[in-house]
Amino acid sequence: DGGITQSPKYLFRKEGQNVTLSCEQNLNHDAMYWYRQDPGQGLRLIYYSQIVNDFQKGDIAEGYSVSREKKESFPLTVTSAQKNPTAFYLCASRRAGGAYNEQFFGPGTRLTVL
Amino acid sequence: AQSVTQPDIHITVSEGASLELRCNYSYGATPYLFWYVQSPGQGLQLLLKYFSGDTLVQGIKGFEAEFKRSQSSFNLRKPSVHWSDAAEYFCAVVPYTGTASKLTFGTGTRLQVTL
Repeated sequence: DGGITQSPKYLFRKEGQNVTLSCEQNLNHDAMYWYRQDPGQGLRLIYYSQIVNDFQKGDIAEGYSVSREKKESFPLTVTSAQKNPTAFYLCASRRAGGAYNEQFFGPGTRLTVL
Repeated sequence: AQSVTQPDIHITVSEGASLELRCNYSYGATPYLFWYVQSPGQGLQLLLKYFSGDTLVQGIKGFEAEFKRSQSSFNLRKPSVHWSDAAEYFCAVVPYTGTASKLTFGTGTRLQVTL
């Protein structure tokens, strides 16, 4: 089955630690995205990538980093510089072409800082 | 900057009743418009989208939405709600032009269905 997988589903981190969230897709999509979701705030874009080895900052990139070494993978690292990292993180991908091509979402990772 | 407003944070309807969730956008030109649904602790699933043509769009699970240019609205409707429709609903827009296709989301409407 084609789709997007995110791991782990739940992640706990101590303050001061970096953690990496995994996102893999087998849809052969060119573009991939990372969002952060907080209660009552909808989804906010962290980073996005339209092609391998290239990515751009979204609206709330501070304290996060990404890489795009393979088309299928777009890992997100939450660094110790992120002041309030507890949130639900969603990865998405989209087929290249017109903007009417919708984004497909993974099941999400819930990160909790202890 | 473009924005999306979902004025209702929480809506409660009885099973079998009709539903309308409101969405208004602020943008200079007609954007592409999407409705997504999210069950608790899950990812988002696309219900429907509009980019041109007939302003009444049919989606999955019996949902439809109507684009009204004069009101900058894209309201989601369902004639008869089922208990399984309880979830959070997000309206999103993307500019007509541009290549990044960055979605701007509303803050969501949480739907509760009473039996």
